[in-house]
Amino acid sequence: DAKTTQPNSMESNEEEPVHLPCNHSTISGTDYIHWYRQLPSQGPEYVIHGLTSNVNNRMASLAIAEDRKSSTLILHRATLRDAAVYYCILSLLRTGGFKTIFGAGTRLFVKA
Amino acid sequence: DAGITQSPRHKVTETGTPVTLRCHQTENHRYMYWYRQDPGHGLRLIHYSYGVKDTDKGEVSDGYSVSRSKTEDFLLTLESATSSQTSVYFCAISARAGYDEKLFFGSGTQLSVL
Repeated sequence: DAKTTQPNSMESNEEEPVHLPCNHSTISGTDYIHWYRQLPSQGPEYVIHGLTSNVNNRMASLAIAEDRKSSTLILHRATLRDAAVYYCILSLLRTGGFKTIFGAGTRLFVKA
Repeated sequence: DAGITQSPRHKVTETGTPVTLRCHQTENHRYMYWYRQDPGHGLRLIHYSYGVKDTDKGEVSDGYSVSRSKTEDFLLTLESATSSQTSVYFCAISARAGYDEKLFFGSGTQLSVL
């Protein structure tokens, strides 16, 4: 079955880039890769998603390996407000319906 | 912020009692989802809806039922609550099917079953 693996925690300095890795070696060809982040006592917040090509938006960039077995979320300049738990998620459409596979998340600490 | 309201925000109940959680949206989005979040498991999909009266099971649907009689409301019912259903429940919405679309999440309902 599909799964994602992320480091438990990472630390960054403010205004430096952050690269958050995710391994999803069991991904299938039509599975989308999503990233969400979650602050304490809040619901997850969408960050970015993609299928095969690298993606950029105002929040972050998503770099997807050529074999799609891993991906990296890139925050170009970390701020204190970026401190959160970041979830790498596979989004699947299978016989029987739609599934989402959440990893355990990476807690990002940002130092001033 | 997306217009999603979950109620109640906190609920304490006893084993064996029925519980209904409500999700209300003002975005007129077609898709609505119920997730639960537990330590060590991330979020897991319980049920989702792709239109009024159209629902489907997610990965952890046992013990839960849902109903959607209006576009804006999606109800999650625990027919007979158990302690294993103590969790934080999140509702989410999306304009299109969620596998290629961003989801907007509500603020969650903390449910404790004693």
